[in-house]
Amino acid sequence: EIVLTQSPGTLSLSPGERATLSCRASQSVSSYYLAWYQQKPGQAPRLLIYDASSRATGIPDRFSGSGSGTDFTLIISRLEPEDFAVYYCQQFGSSLTFGGGTKVEIK
Amino acid sequence: EVQLLESGRGLVQPGGSLRLSCAASGFTFSNYAMNWVRQAPGKGLEWVSGISEGGASTYYADSVKGRFTISRDNSKSTLYLQMNSLRAEDTAIYYCAKSRLVVVTAAIDYWGQGTLVTVSS
Repeated sequence: EIVLTQSPGTLSLSPGERATLSCRASQSVSSYYLAWYQQKPGQAPRLLIYDASSRATGIPDRFSGSGSGTDFTLIISRLEPEDFAVYYCQQFGSSLTFGGGTKVEIK
Repeated sequence: EVQLLESGRGLVQPGGSLRLSCAASGFTFSNYAMNWVRQAPGKGLEWVSGISEGGASTYYADSVKGRFTISRDNSKSTLYLQMNSLRAEDTAIYYCAKSRLVVVTAAIDYWGQGTLVTVSS
């Protein structure tokens, strides 16, 4: 099973700042099989990025994804108040697994 | 508008059974793989099971293999999860989730609001 490790566990930032979230896989993952989700309290997750770097429908361009092999990154260029949430990466190249999540909180 | 509406929430004793349903609308249900994903209270996301668009192929997480069964009725645009031999660690919100593509190995582009399953004596 491919294990995804997300870091940091918590990111404390102010609105307007840049957020950099990391997702590291225990084995190489094809870029076509890596996605990122956002989840706010009491809500279902929402797809942000698929194929490592493609934005889902309706996702603002301040969200961007990159990476390959075992290292993937989600960047939020300028944090808006509605971006404070928990973010999960997911791989689906070998079964489906999620990372443990990164909480982006207001500093 | 894509809608996924789960039903079947409840309190079940350890060793008991429960069947979840998910009514889908707003898209051609038979063209997409579907999944169940769960989230224990205060924890992260865990993929539980997936099924191909026609239902011929099913997949399970090791934690539920042999106890849970996923199925679908394309004529009713409905997804199911039969859960047997339930354990306390199965307590979670269960989300019905649509794959972007016809295969299970794809990103999940729509999620239901979730249904709470509590396993406790």
